[in-house]
Amino acid sequence: AQTVTQSQPEMSVQEAETVTLSCTYDTSESDYYLFWYKQPPSRQMILVIRQEAYKQQNATENRFSVNFQKAAKSFSLKISDSQLGDAAMYFCAYRSAVDDKIIFGKGTRLHILP
Amino acid sequence: GAGVSQSPSNKVTEKGKDVELRCDPISGHTALYWYRQRLGQGLEFLIYFQGNSAPDKSGLPSDRFSAERTGESVSTLTIQRTQQEDSAVYLCASSLVGDRFQEQPQHFGDGTRLSIL
Repeated sequence: AQTVTQSQPEMSVQEAETVTLSCTYDTSESDYYLFWYKQPPSRQMILVIRQEAYKQQNATENRFSVNFQKAAKSFSLKISDSQLGDAAMYFCAYRSAVDDKIIFGKGTRLHILP
Repeated sequence: GAGVSQSPSNKVTEKGKDVELRCDPISGHTALYWYRQRLGQGLEFLIYFQGNSAPDKSGLPSDRFSAERTGESVSTLTIQRTQQEDSAVYLCASSLVGDRFQEQPQHFGDGTRLSIL
């Protein structure tokens, strides 16, 4: 069975600095999707970034980028130039391309220090 | 221990029928969330229950969607007069309730894959 692990329950970063949130996963499948979601206090789940496993190039969305290491089954999220609005819960998620099963990590709470 | 359990794991139904999805949270978790993910789209928040407080229904997409939870136990999500656009994976999560000093992790179920023909 697939698993997703976020080993950092909470992290803090100074405003304007860079922070990296870690995510590792385990799967025997070769084709899948990986996601990072941001959940602010409103409880909405905001898709931050998405990566297809067959793509070697790391996905990037403005200040957000990932370091996707398929062999190591690692999918970390880097937030550059951190802003106060980045404070939220961040979830790493895996979606199977075989049966659409979705698995979430337990989340990392990110605090931005002014 | 047992995690969040959702049933059924898969549901195929005809357009216009009503469906009921079930979520059994982890025992002792007072907070319960429903989300859905439609194909190719991100995760959408639907509804949040916390203890005996009024639920946060701000994410329900239409009045065809409703959810109930009795106390801190099972929750059911009901979709009436289903439409093809309702096809999605419906996820449930539960957690203890944290405070401003400590976030409590959400534990997700395996989801119900709903297909509307």
